[in-house]
Amino acid sequence: EDQVTQSPEALRLQEGESSSLNCSYTVSGLRGLFWYRQDPGKGPEFLFTLYSAGEEKEKERLKATLTKKESFLHITAPKPEDSATYLCAVQGTNDMRFGAGTRLTVKP
Amino acid sequence: EAGVTQSPTHLIKTRGQQVTLRCSPISGHTSVYWYQQALGLGLQFLLWYDEGEERNRGNFPPRFSGRQFPNYSSELNVNALELEDSALYLCASSLDRADTQYFGPGTRLTVL
Repeated sequence: EDQVTQSPEALRLQEGESSSLNCSYTVSGLRGLFWYRQDPGKGPEFLFTLYSAGEEKEKERLKATLTKKESFLHITAPKPEDSATYLCAVQGTNDMRFGAGTRLTVKP
Repeated sequence: EAGVTQSPTHLIKTRGQQVTLRCSPISGHTSVYWYQQALGLGLQFLLWYDEGEERNRGNFPPRFSGRQFPNYSSELNVNALELEDSALYLCASSLDRADTQYFGPGTRLTVL
């Protein structure tokens, strides 16, 4: 069965303190790995899609990387507005499977 | 370009009632997905529609059902509401099954 595990569950950073979020997965026939940002009570906002090991994508302070077993979302010099829950999802031959998310809080 | 839209924004119902939620996908997208997100929990897959057909459903009872219309918009129906159905219901659309899913703002359902 496809599985997605995100760690840590929660992360508190000071503004400017860089860190990484982890997404470990097992999936039959990876067709894509997706990162979303979700603010409380709102729908997830798409960030990145990664398709194959070694692929990297960047957007502002965020950079996503992918290996055969996990993906990392690196956050460089975060700001308070980066506070949100970050969701990882994998699409295999079955349904899209979401992780439980990492709740990020960035303090000024 | 308009994103995925959902209606209503909020809904309050009582146990045993029935509810219908609506979703309009991004123009050109033919696949529509429904997810349930209970408070503090992750997204649980409910249903997937493509080209008017139900393609797959998650581990939910039959009282959760829906349909997709010729214009690709979709409805989610929940019968015999239970307290544990209280959640944020999210709709997403994509061009193709393996493509990125784009989410709507969600409908917050409260069952009293």
